[in-house]
Amino acid sequence: KQEVTQIPAALSVPEGENLVLNCSFTDSAIYNLQWFRQDPGKGLTSLLLIQSSQREQTSGRLNASLDKSSGRSTLYIAASQPGDSATYLCAVPTSGTYKYIFGTGTRLKVLA
Amino acid sequence: DVKVTQSSRYLVKRTGEKVFLECVQDMDHENMFWYRQDPGLGLRLIYFSYDVKMKEKGDIPEGYSVSREKKERFSLILESASTNQTSMYLCATTARLGYGYTFGSGTRLTVV
Repeated sequence: KQEVTQIPAALSVPEGENLVLNCSFTDSAIYNLQWFRQDPGKGLTSLLLIQSSQREQTSGRLNASLDKSSGRSTLYIAASQPGDSATYLCAVPTSGTYKYIFGTGTRLKVLA
Repeated sequence: DVKVTQSSRYLVKRTGEKVFLECVQDMDHENMFWYRQDPGLGLRLIYFSYDVKMKEKGDIPEGYSVSREKKERFSLILESASTNQTSMYLCATTARLGYGYTFGSGTRLTVV
């Protein structure tokens, strides 16, 4: 059964720092991995979708990497800003299905 | 971009009421999902639908039912609302395997 873990659960950093969020999964037979952002009381916004054939995906100050063999993905945020404060979740599909399994998220606070 | 609309941001209902949560998508996505999100438990799949009138139970279907009469609309029904169904409800869609999810903005339901 696929399990997804995100460490740390919470992170507080000063503005301008580069930071890394981690996502681990137990079943490496995935065809993609998706990173989301969630602001308090709102839905999830897709940030990056990495296909299993890719190793990295970039969007602006965000870079996500995927290492299927080790069951890990990282989300790198460059030059963090207070507006980046949110909860970040990763999700992977269960093998051969449309159903995604979600991590419990990393709650990020960027201090001005 | 795909838009997923959940009709209500906030709902307050009484115990025992029948509650309808609506989700509408404006693209031709075949697959639609209902999740609930609770602190410490993350996102859990309630039901999903892979075609009109087709549905499958997720991990926590008890106390819920769904309806998909048209491709663009997926409704979650709480047959007799209970206080333990107080939660954030999130609707998501995906075109097909290998594509990521797009979420709606969520409905915060409180059952009193």
